[in-house]
Amino acid sequence: RKEVEQDPGPFNVPEGATVAFNCTYSNSASQSFFWYRQDCRKEPKLLMSVYSSGNEDGRFTAQLNRASQYISLLIRDSKLSDSATYLCVVNFRNDYKLSFGAGTTVTVRA
Amino acid sequence: SQTIHQWPATLVQPVGSPLSLECTVEGTSNPNLYWYRQAAGRGLQLLFYSVGIGQISSEVPQNLSASRPQDRQFILSSKKLLLSDSGFYLCAWSVGGTGEQYFGPGTRLTVT
Repeated sequence: RKEVEQDPGPFNVPEGATVAFNCTYSNSASQSFFWYRQDCRKEPKLLMSVYSSGNEDGRFTAQLNRASQYISLLIRDSKLSDSATYLCVVNFRNDYKLSFGAGTTVTVRA
Repeated sequence: SQTIHQWPATLVQPVGSPLSLECTVEGTSNPNLYWYRQAAGRGLQLLFYSVGIGQISSEVPQNLSASRPQDRQFILSSKKLLLSDSGFYLCAWSVGGTGEQYFGPGTRLTVT
């Protein structure tokens, strides 16, 4: 079983729509969680950390469900510029090593 | 502010040739440094990480090696490339073990 699993998508949504997707992780002792964004043929960039109580950053909302071992990302009022691959990232031991999911691709169309 | 540089941006090398990719970080001291590889359609695979000069931890046994000759310089090498070494190589840095890592622009390597 992979350490971090994501639905690869793609999720094709119109501008202004809401899109949400999940990521599951295998290690129940995981310590910290993140969403990264990766544009086509570019490097990943940190989008947001995911806190136990859930958190928002503008149009983006992240949730953590420790009981079911998944995290989610919701994008409201989608923009064309939100088109990207979103990587779910988990730190199992709160050390230097991150485990990356393969990514969920979102395409926002005009 | 901190910046991270990688070069070259793209590279085409024949099987059996050597490799040297360089990464440098500016604007921070004693960063943790990482080398990742991303194969097409796959997640990032951690290859090496370093928490200090001369200290290298290897995550995946293969024909690659890494060195950290200076505090903010990280080098990825191979003596003989394989076809399976093709991929997108990313260097990253972090401060401590916060889990927030910052990536360089990457090197796209094609082994022919």
